[in-house]
Amino acid sequence: RKEVEQDPGPFNVPEGATVAFNCTYSNSASQSFFWYRQDCRKEPKLLMSVYSSGNEDGRFTAQLNRASQYISLLIRDSKLSDSATYLCVVPEGKLTFGTGTRLTIIP
Amino acid sequence: NAGVTQTPKFQVLKTGQSMTLQCAQDMNHEYMSWYRQDPGMGLRLIHYSVGAGITDQGEVPNGYNVSRSTTEDFPLRLLSAAPSQTSVYFCASRSTVLYEQYFGPGTRLTVT
Repeated sequence: RKEVEQDPGPFNVPEGATVAFNCTYSNSASQSFFWYRQDCRKEPKLLMSVYSSGNEDGRFTAQLNRASQYISLLIRDSKLSDSATYLCVVPEGKLTFGTGTRLTIIP
Repeated sequence: NAGVTQTPKFQVLKTGQSMTLQCAQDMNHEYMSWYRQDPGMGLRLIHYSVGAGITDQGEVPNGYNVSRSTTEDFPLRLLSAAPSQTSVYFCASRSTVLYEQYFGPGTRLTVT
């Protein structure tokens, strides 16, 4: 099993809809998790940190399921500007990045 | 604060040439890393450093050298460029306490 796995998508979602995608991880000892956002031809930028069961920031909610070893990212009322690739990151000594989930919001 | 800066933004090399990608950060971060990103491959760690004078290999270190003489700078050297090194290279930094990582804008390298 890969250290971090994500559904590459693409997810094509109409504007205003709710979308969620998951990230599974292999190291059960991992204590913190991160979601990064990467726009086309740009650098990744930190979106959310998850240190316990979850985190919410406006339209974005990240949740952690330790029993099943996955974290999820939920985006409500999606905007055109949410179109990007979302990277899951699990610190395991070094930071291990998932390959990313590509999201496109359709007008 | 400028954050993490990288130069150059774009570079074209011929096979066999060498060059150095520059990376600097002004956040006094101890931890710095170099990644390469290829389509469908995600970010792969090349080399990293936990402080001045200390470097270690990541997932794909072959063909690259690094050094860390100061806290601020972490250059990446391509010894003899190969077409397989065509990629986008990102430098990143973070504190050793927090895992929240900050990336530079990237260097787009093409090797012909």
